[in-house]
Amino acid sequence: GQNIDQPTEMTATEGAIVQINCTYQTSGFNGLFWYQQHAGEAPTFLSYNVLDGLEEKGRFSSFLSRSKGYSYLLLKELQMKDSASYLCAALDSNYQLIWGAGTKLIIKP
Amino acid sequence: DTAVSQTPKYLVTQMGNDKSIKCEQNLGHDTMYWYKQDSKKFLKIMFSYNNKELIINETVPNRFSPKSPDKAHLNLHINSLELGDSAVYFCASSQDGGQHSNQPQHFGDGTRLSIL
Repeated sequence: GQNIDQPTEMTATEGAIVQINCTYQTSGFNGLFWYQQHAGEAPTFLSYNVLDGLEEKGRFSSFLSRSKGYSYLLLKELQMKDSASYLCAALDSNYQLIWGAGTKLIIKP
Repeated sequence: DTAVSQTPKYLVTQMGNDKSIKCEQNLGHDTMYWYKQDSKKFLKIMFSYNNKELIINETVPNRFSPKSPDKAHLNLHINSLELGDSAVYFCASSQDGGQHSNQPQHFGDGTRLSIL
């Protein structure tokens, strides 16, 4: 079966760095997305990786290792507004998105 | 200038009723989606639809039906509502969806459906 695993909840301190991991098992692979979802709001697109390596976009970076079925989202210089759920989603061979359950990130002052 | 808009934002109704949720996107996207997000925050795809094909998640009860009057709209009609239908329903759209698409999806703000 197809599966996405990511931690349920993480806590970090304002100004620090946090890494949210995601492992995936899909029938084929056409890339991996990260979305941010604040409580009571819609998910918003953060990043897309299809090649191995790190992609940096401001304070947020996303990494992919296709051979390991592994990705992470790295958030630097954490701000209180970064408190949200972070959803990992992989595209399978049929270009269907397989979603993880999300990681709730709590930022403490 | 909202990109993906869905109405209503809140919907409270009784078991057994029939209701519809509307969704419109002004992004010129080809594909639209409906998701259900339950209390555990897990996003479950219900339908994806473009002008070529409707893809239905086979686990979705046939009480749920998408209706698309045109490319910019995909409404969700639900018959005989049940307690387990209580959830947040998100509409989304993407460019060149359907086959071979790696385009990101843009989501509406969600409709919070509560069944009494």
